[in-house]
Order: sequence, then structure tokens, then C-alpha cells
Amino acid sequence: QSALTQPASVSGSPGQSITISCTGTSSDIGAYNYVSWYQQHPGKAPKLMIYDVNDRPSGVSNRFSGSKSGNTASLTISGLQAEDEADYYCSSYTSSSTLVFGTGTYVTV
Amino acid sequence: EVQLVESGGDLVQPGGSLRLSCEVSGFTFSSYWMSWVRQAPGKGLEWVANINQGGSEKYYVDSVRGRFTISRDNAKNLLFLQMNSLTAEDTAVYYCARDPYSSSQFDYWGQGTLVTVSS
Repeated sequence: QSALTQPASVSGSPGQSITISCTGTSSDIGAYNYVSWYQQHPGKAPKLMIYDVNDRPSGVSNRFSGSKSGNTASLTISGLQAEDEADYYCSSYTSSSTLVFGTGTYVTV
Repeated sequence: EVQLVESGGDLVQPGGSLRLSCEVSGFTFSSYWMSWVRQAPGKGLEWVANINQGGSEKYYVDSVRGRFTISRDNAKNLLFLQMNSLTAEDTAVYYCARDPYSSSQFDYWGQGTLVTVSS
């Protein structure tokens, strides 16, 4: 199972919006709505930001939103803040009953 | 408060074995799928294995299938990862994670334990 494809880096100014793409196949993103996004700061454990394509866990800012079209999922961060600078990973359940993560995107504010 | 605490990480020689543990508290462990996820130094996340609530269903990433075994002790709130035939490519921080949606999406993670495979 190959990793989902994400851009290596995305940057934006404070207050702006950015979108991170996550491209998979018809066996993972295209087949299920079990797409998640995680934020990871250096030396820390990942934090769940989005699950089921576009749902936010309690406590996660509504500046974070998710979507999906075909085999590609996206994470949008609006009103970019300095604290958003981190690595972001997408993940998807697969037809093999396994999980695959994306390659990761570093967001620079 | 939900807590997951991994232990057992160490320096091990190639071909060696190691058993990781994840002790959980603050929730009903027996009600959740659980997973192990690893991250090699400076690299991305890689899902390793998961196990269902009763331990009867287990899935593995291809690269560890046949070498690693995931298990759990619901009476002791413990998750395990037995790792055999270790190679340098297994060097990573290993995280345990809780899956509340039974769909490999993780709301709580431990702090990780470092496994280094080197001679």
C-alpha cells in the first residue's frame, strides 16, 4: 500500500487560508469516507483535527475544515495563525482493512 | 482523563526482538479498537497494526506481517506489540492510539516510545 500523496510544504500569511491536498486511489480515499487529518508539532504526538472527511472533534477550531472529491481529500485552514505551523498528515482506511497515511505537509505561517 | 503510556522501547541488535506495551487509563479499554503507529526519525507516520475490542481481529501493514504481533489484555488495560526479526528499517518512535470510530481514525495518542535497531 503506497502512501497517500501530499505536497511537501504549503505556506501562507497570518489571516490567509490555505488548502492541503491528499491524493489516493479508488481503494482508499475513493472508496471510503474514513479520511482523517492530523496535526503534529515537533517532538509531539499527532493530534486529530478532522475525521470522517469533514467532522471536527470537540475542541478543534472551526478554522479547520475537510472535503473530498473522488480520490482526493483536502484540508483547509482559514484565518491562518502562527500556532498552525506544523506538519499535517492525512490518512484513509483501505479496502484491505488497513490504514494508509499521507506523505505529510509542512505548513509555514 | 484519557491517558495512553507506551513503554518498552530500547536499543536492539538487528535480528533481535522487543515487546512494546501501552498502558491505558481513563476509558473503557475493552470497548475500543486500538492501533500501533510508528514514525522513523525525520519521516512521516506509518500505521503498523490494529486489533479489535476482543482481540479476535488483527491487521498489519505488509512490511511487518509475520514478524510483529499485536495483542491486548483487557483485564489489565494493556496493549502490546511483539516485534521479532527486527531490522534497521524498524527504527522509529512507536505510538499507540485509540480508535473510537472503529475506522482507523485516532482521537488519543500516547507520547511514543523509541525503538532503535542497530549493531
